[in-house]
Amino acid sequence: LAKTTQPISMDSYEGQEVNITCSHNNIATNDYITWYQQFPSQGPRFIIQGYKTKVTNEVASLFIPADRKSSTLSLPRVSLSDTAVYYCLVGDPFDMDTGRRALTFGSGTRLQVQP
Amino acid sequence: DAGITQSPRHKVTETGTPVTLRCHQTENHRYMYWYRQDPGHGLRLIHYSYGVKDTDKGEVSDGYSVSRSKTEDFLLTLESATSSQTSVYFCAIRQGEDTEAFFGQGTRLTVV
Repeated sequence: LAKTTQPISMDSYEGQEVNITCSHNNIATNDYITWYQQFPSQGPRFIIQGYKTKVTNEVASLFIPADRKSSTLSLPRVSLSDTAVYYCLVGDPFDMDTGRRALTFGSGTRLQVQP
Repeated sequence: DAGITQSPRHKVTETGTPVTLRCHQTENHRYMYWYRQDPGHGLRLIHYSYGVKDTDKGEVSDGYSVSRSKTEDFLLTLESATSSQTSVYFCAIRQGEDTEAFFGQGTRLTVV
C-alpha cells in the first residue's frame, strides 16, 4: 500500500482556488489516485480519480506529474459549502492470501472556507 | 444516490450487551466495508467482504465480527459492547478495485 501524506488542515476564503497536494512516493505502477470528500455527519463521497497527467470533472481537477509521486486536487472558486475533509487514496492494501484489496483512508485534509 | 441503507441510524446500548448493525445494498456490488469514525479522526476499516461468505479483517477488527450470507446484506456485530466502541459507523460498497465507493449515512452508536 502506497503511504500518503497530505496537510492536516487548510484555510481559504470564498472565491479562491484551493490546491491540496498529496505525496505518495512509493506509488505502484498499477495504482490509481482517488480523492474523496466528507462533510460533517456524512459518509465520504467520491470526487475524482486519475492515473496520470490531468483529469477534470464538474467538481475538481486532479493534476498528476510524470513521476506520479504526488498529486494535487484543485478546487476552483471555493464556496462555504466546500468546507469538508478531503482524503487522498492511492491503491488498496493487497492481501496475499485472498488476493483481495481493502479500502483504507488516512486522516485527510480538513479544509475550512471562510466568507 | 447509490442504494445503500444502514440501520439503525442511532442506537444507545449498555456495556456488555450484543449489538448488530445492518448494511443493505440494492446495487449488487461485490465489495462491502464497515468503518468506524471517531471525533476528529479519519475512517478506520473494521472488516470488509469481497463476496458472499467471504470476509476479512481490517485495521481495527478486535471486538467486532461480521457476516455476509447474501450479496445485499453485511452485518456488523459487537458481541459485548464496550464504551470504547462508541462511534459513528459507516458502511460502504463498491463494484471492484479502483472503482468508486459509495457510503451509507452512518450509524451513531453510543455505549453507556
